[in-house]
Amino acid sequence: SYELTQPPSVSVSPGQTARITCSGDALPKQYAYWYQQKPGQAPVLVIYKDSERPSGIPERFSGSSSGTTVTLTISGVQAEDEADYYCQSADSSGTVVFGGGTKLTVL
Amino acid sequence: EVQLVESGGGLVQPGGSLRLSCAASGFTFSSYWMHWVRQAPGKGLVWVSRINSDGSSTSYADSVKGRFTISRDNAKNTLYLQMNSLRAEDTAVYYCARALSIIAVAGHEEDYFDYWGQGTLVTVSS
Repeated sequence: SYELTQPPSVSVSPGQTARITCSGDALPKQYAYWYQQKPGQAPVLVIYKDSERPSGIPERFSGSSSGTTVTLTISGVQAEDEADYYCQSADSSGTVVFGGGTKLTVL
Repeated sequence: EVQLVESGGGLVQPGGSLRLSCAASGFTFSSYWMHWVRQAPGKGLVWVSRINSDGSSTSYADSVKGRFTISRDNAKNTLYLQMNSLRAEDTAVYYCARALSIIAVAGHEEDYFDYWGQGTLVTVSS
């Protein structure tokens, strides 16, 4: 089955830039989406179609794609950005697939 | 305001059944595909099932195929997940999510989620 691979954890200091990667063989042909999930809360969409930002999401959140890897970048990280982040895409049949998640720690 | 409110979770014994509901409001429910996504305690998100806007097409993760049934009542603005033959590994928070569909680079449709419910906990244990 198709898999998306994320690092389990990323740590950054406040004000620095956090980069969270997601790798998958089909990513050159599929879009990627990113969700933020804080403890006890439902996921929130932060990036869609690789790099589009939904309304209400701060500009410090951005996305990019290069080959089989997509990257969520959070510039000027704030304490409130500490959360789990999940990438999502689809396999060749369009079935939804999630990455394993990355815990972002703000030091 | 878009709202998705799940209910129906609880404690059930292995082999038992449970029906989850997701009440939708604030949008034209009948126009959207809907999905169920689950999250085991301390684990990541896992896609479970989806249904198209009129209920005529469904799909399931292999792990639940033949045991779970997704359905919807557009007159009641409600999504359902009937879960039978429950196993310990089905223990999770179950989220319903509203899907938006776009055409992927490869040319087929792919879904992503712009609204999620707060989730309902299903615990399968004796």
